[in-house]
Amino acid sequence: EPEVTQTPSHQVTQMGQEVILRCVPISNHLYFYWYRQILGQKVEFLVSFYNNEISEKSEIFDDQFSVERPDGSNFTLKIRSTKLEDSAMYFCASSELLPNTDTQYFGPGTRLTVL
Amino acid sequence: ELKVEQNPLFLSMQEGKNYTIYCNYSTTSDRLYWYRQDPGKSLESLFVLLSNGAVKQEGRLMASLDTKARLSTLHITAAVHDLSATYFCAVGNTGTASKLTFGTGTRLQVTL
Repeated sequence: EPEVTQTPSHQVTQMGQEVILRCVPISNHLYFYWYRQILGQKVEFLVSFYNNEISEKSEIFDDQFSVERPDGSNFTLKIRSTKLEDSAMYFCASSELLPNTDTQYFGPGTRLTVL
Repeated sequence: ELKVEQNPLFLSMQEGKNYTIYCNYSTTSDRLYWYRQDPGKSLESLFVLLSNGAVKQEGRLMASLDTKARLSTLHITAAVHDLSATYFCAVGNTGTASKLTFGTGTRLQVTL
Protein backbone atom coordinates (compact mmCIF):
# COMPACT_ATOMS: atom_id res chain seq x y z
CA GLU A 1 0.00 0.00 0.00
CA PRO A 2 1.41 3.42 -0.93
CA GLU A 3 2.54 5.53 1.99
CA VAL A 4 4.12 8.87 2.78
CA THR A 5 7.74 8.59 3.85
CA GLN A 6 9.86 11.09 5.77
CA THR A 7 13.56 11.48 6.48
CA PRO A 8 15.28 11.70 8.84
CA SER A 9 13.24 10.09 11.60
CA HIS A 10 15.10 12.15 14.20
CA GLN A 11 17.12 15.33 13.74
CA VAL A 12 19.13 17.00 16.48
CA THR A 13 20.43 20.49 15.80
CA GLN A 14 21.86 23.48 17.55
CA MET A 15 19.83 26.64 17.94
CA GLY A 16 20.37 28.95 14.99
CA GLN A 17 21.21 26.18 12.55
CA GLU A 18 19.28 25.44 9.39
CA VAL A 19 17.45 22.16 8.99
CA ILE A 20 15.73 20.55 6.03
CA LEU A 21 13.09 17.93 6.58
CA ARG A 22 12.27 15.70 3.67
CA CYS A 23 9.11 13.98 2.59
CA VAL A 24 8.11 11.76 -0.28
CA PRO A 25 4.33 12.01 -0.73
CA ILE A 26 2.18 9.28 -2.22
CA SER A 27 2.97 9.25 -5.92
CA ASN A 28 -0.37 10.22 -7.46
CA HIS A 29 -1.23 12.82 -4.84
CA LEU A 30 -1.30 16.47 -5.77
CA TYR A 31 -1.68 18.25 -2.44
CA PHE A 32 0.97 18.37 0.22
CA TYR A 33 1.02 19.58 3.79
CA TRP A 34 3.23 20.07 6.79
CA TYR A 35 1.96 19.85 10.35
CA ARG A 36 3.75 19.85 13.65
CA GLN A 37 3.01 18.42 17.05
CA ILE A 38 4.77 19.65 20.15
CA LEU A 39 5.14 16.83 22.64
CA GLY A 40 1.84 16.03 24.33
CA GLN A 41 -0.09 18.64 22.40
CA LYS A 42 -2.43 18.68 19.45
CA VAL A 43 -1.42 18.64 15.82
CA GLU A 44 -1.03 22.10 14.26
CA PHE A 45 -1.21 23.02 10.58
CA LEU A 46 1.80 24.76 9.10
CA VAL A 47 1.39 24.98 5.35
CA SER A 48 -0.33 23.46 2.33
CA PHE A 49 1.11 23.28 -1.16
CA TYR A 50 -0.39 22.69 -4.58
CA ASN A 51 0.76 23.21 -8.12
CA ASN A 52 4.19 24.36 -6.97
CA GLU A 53 2.99 27.09 -4.72
CA ILE A 54 1.77 27.63 -1.19
CA SER A 55 -2.02 27.41 -0.92
CA GLU A 56 -2.35 28.37 2.71
CA LYS A 57 -0.09 28.92 5.69
CA SER A 58 -0.59 29.40 9.39
CA GLU A 59 0.76 32.06 11.71
CA ILE A 60 3.43 29.59 12.80
CA PHE A 61 4.82 29.49 9.26
CA ASP A 62 6.77 32.73 9.39
CA ASP A 63 9.67 33.81 7.19
CA GLN A 64 11.99 31.36 8.91
CA PHE A 65 10.09 28.54 7.22
CA SER A 66 9.98 27.62 3.55
CA VAL A 67 8.77 24.71 1.48
CA GLU A 68 9.90 23.38 -1.83
CA ARG A 69 9.21 20.60 -4.25
CA PRO A 70 12.66 20.33 -5.82
CA ASP A 71 11.81 17.42 -8.09
CA GLY A 72 8.89 15.19 -8.98
CA SER A 73 8.91 13.24 -5.76
CA ASN A 74 10.35 15.15 -2.80
CA PHE A 75 8.66 17.82 -0.70
CA THR A 76 10.84 19.65 1.79
CA LEU A 77 10.40 21.91 4.79
CA LYS A 78 13.30 24.21 5.64
CA ILE A 79 13.75 26.07 8.88
CA ARG A 80 16.44 28.70 8.36
CA SER A 81 17.46 29.48 11.92
CA THR A 82 16.04 27.05 14.42
CA LYS A 83 14.78 28.11 17.83
CA LEU A 84 14.28 26.02 20.94
CA GLU A 85 10.53 26.25 20.47
CA ASP A 86 10.80 24.60 17.05
CA SER A 87 11.41 21.30 18.83
CA ALA A 88 8.48 19.12 17.81
CA MET A 89 7.39 16.22 15.65
CA TYR A 90 6.91 17.36 12.08
CA PHE A 91 4.47 15.43 9.94
CA CYS A 92 4.16 15.58 6.20
CA ALA A 93 0.85 14.64 4.63
CA SER A 94 -0.52 14.31 1.13
CA SER A 95 -3.94 14.00 -0.43
CA GLU A 96 -5.60 13.42 -3.76
CA LEU A 97 -8.60 15.67 -4.09
CA LEU A 98 -11.56 13.50 -4.91
CA PRO A 99 -15.24 14.43 -4.70
CA ASN A 100 -16.01 12.28 -1.69
CA THR A 101 -12.77 12.11 0.18
CA ASP A 102 -9.47 14.05 0.11
CA THR A 103 -8.28 12.25 3.19
CA GLN A 104 -4.85 13.44 4.18
CA TYR A 105 -2.38 10.60 4.68
CA PHE A 106 0.35 11.27 7.16
CA GLY A 107 3.97 10.20 7.13
CA PRO A 108 5.74 8.72 10.16
CA GLY A 109 7.12 12.10 11.21
CA THR A 110 10.51 13.66 11.90
CA ARG A 111 11.31 14.40 15.50
CA LEU A 112 13.25 17.68 15.59
CA THR A 113 15.21 18.47 18.72
CA VAL A 114 16.76 21.92 18.98
CA LEU A 115 19.44 22.28 21.65
CA GLU B 1 -11.10 31.36 14.24
CA LEU B 2 -12.15 27.73 14.15
CA LYS B 3 -11.92 25.96 17.49
CA VAL B 4 -12.18 22.20 17.84
CA GLU B 5 -12.68 20.73 21.27
CA GLN B 6 -12.80 17.14 22.36
CA ASN B 7 -13.94 15.59 25.55
CA PRO B 8 -12.94 13.84 27.54
CA LEU B 9 -9.22 14.53 27.25
CA PHE B 10 -8.41 11.28 28.98
CA LEU B 11 -10.52 8.17 29.20
CA SER B 12 -9.72 5.03 31.14
CA MET B 13 -12.16 2.24 30.49
CA GLN B 14 -12.39 -1.44 31.15
CA GLU B 15 -12.42 -4.00 28.41
CA GLY B 16 -15.92 -4.81 27.29
CA LYS B 17 -17.38 -1.42 28.17
CA ASN B 18 -18.90 1.15 25.82
CA TYR B 19 -18.07 4.82 25.68
CA THR B 20 -18.36 7.90 23.48
CA ILE B 21 -15.83 10.61 22.63
CA TYR B 22 -17.25 13.99 21.66
CA CYS B 23 -15.88 16.51 19.19
CA ASN B 24 -17.36 20.01 19.02
CA TYR B 25 -16.33 22.65 16.52
CA SER B 26 -17.11 26.31 16.37
CA THR B 27 -17.77 27.20 12.72
CA THR B 28 -19.50 25.61 9.76
CA SER B 29 -17.63 22.79 8.11
CA ASP B 30 -18.54 20.16 5.59
CA ARG B 31 -16.11 17.44 6.53
CA LEU B 32 -14.92 15.85 9.70
CA TYR B 33 -12.10 13.35 10.12
CA TRP B 34 -11.12 10.97 12.87
CA TYR B 35 -7.53 9.86 13.30
CA ARG B 36 -5.81 7.46 15.65
CA GLN B 37 -2.30 8.00 17.00
CA ASP B 38 -0.29 5.40 18.89
CA PRO B 39 2.50 6.71 21.18
CA GLY B 40 5.43 8.01 19.16
CA LYS B 41 3.72 7.13 15.89
CA SER B 42 1.99 8.90 13.06
CA LEU B 43 -1.69 9.57 12.49
CA GLU B 44 -3.81 6.84 11.01
CA SER B 45 -7.00 7.83 9.21
CA LEU B 46 -10.09 6.16 10.65
CA PHE B 47 -13.13 7.93 9.22
CA VAL B 48 -14.15 10.72 6.89
CA LEU B 49 -17.62 12.17 7.48
CA LEU B 50 -18.92 14.37 4.70
CA SER B 51 -22.54 15.21 5.39
CA ASN B 52 -25.05 15.83 8.11
CA GLY B 53 -26.23 12.57 9.60
CA ALA B 54 -23.28 10.61 8.21
CA VAL B 55 -22.49 7.47 10.17
CA LYS B 56 -19.55 5.17 9.55
CA GLN B 57 -18.52 2.02 11.35
CA GLU B 58 -15.36 -0.03 11.38
CA GLY B 59 -15.10 -2.87 13.85
CA ARG B 60 -15.78 -1.59 17.36
CA LEU B 61 -15.67 2.07 16.34
CA MET B 62 -18.57 4.08 14.99
CA ALA B 63 -18.41 7.76 14.05
CA SER B 64 -21.28 10.15 13.38
CA LEU B 65 -21.68 13.76 12.35
CA ASP B 66 -24.33 16.34 13.16
CA THR B 67 -23.41 19.48 11.22
CA LYS B 68 -26.26 21.51 12.69
CA ALA B 69 -25.04 20.90 16.21
CA ARG B 70 -21.41 21.07 15.01
CA LEU B 71 -20.80 17.81 16.80
CA SER B 72 -19.19 14.53 15.93
CA THR B 73 -19.05 11.46 18.12
CA LEU B 74 -16.79 8.44 18.15
CA HIS B 75 -18.49 5.54 19.87
CA ILE B 76 -16.51 2.59 21.17
CA THR B 77 -18.34 -0.68 21.62
CA ALA B 78 -17.02 -3.44 23.86
CA ALA B 79 -13.57 -1.94 24.14
CA VAL B 80 -10.48 -4.10 23.81
CA HIS B 81 -6.91 -3.32 24.86
CA ASP B 82 -5.80 -2.84 21.23
CA LEU B 83 -7.94 0.29 21.01
CA SER B 84 -5.69 2.08 23.51
CA ALA B 85 -4.37 5.15 21.66
CA THR B 86 -5.01 8.87 21.28
CA TYR B 87 -7.93 9.78 19.04
CA PHE B 88 -8.10 13.10 17.26
CA CYS B 89 -10.95 14.65 15.37
CA ALA B 90 -10.07 17.16 12.69
CA VAL B 91 -12.21 19.62 10.78
CA GLY B 92 -11.64 20.52 7.17
CA ASN B 93 -13.45 22.25 4.35
CA THR B 94 -14.00 21.52 0.71
CA GLY B 95 -11.46 23.17 -1.44
CA THR B 96 -8.02 22.91 -2.81
CA ALA B 97 -5.53 21.73 -0.21
CA SER B 98 -7.83 22.48 2.69
CA LYS B 99 -6.02 22.51 6.00
CA LEU B 100 -7.16 20.37 8.90
CA THR B 101 -7.80 21.89 12.30
CA PHE B 102 -7.27 19.25 14.94
CA GLY B 103 -8.97 18.79 18.25
CA THR B 104 -7.15 18.46 21.51
CA GLY B 105 -7.15 14.67 21.35
CA THR B 106 -8.60 12.04 23.65
CA ARG B 107 -6.17 9.61 25.20
CA LEU B 108 -7.94 6.29 25.57
CA GLN B 109 -6.61 3.65 27.90
CA VAL B 110 -8.38 0.30 27.93
CA THR B 111 -7.59 -1.79 30.95
CA LEU B 112 -8.04 -5.50 31.43
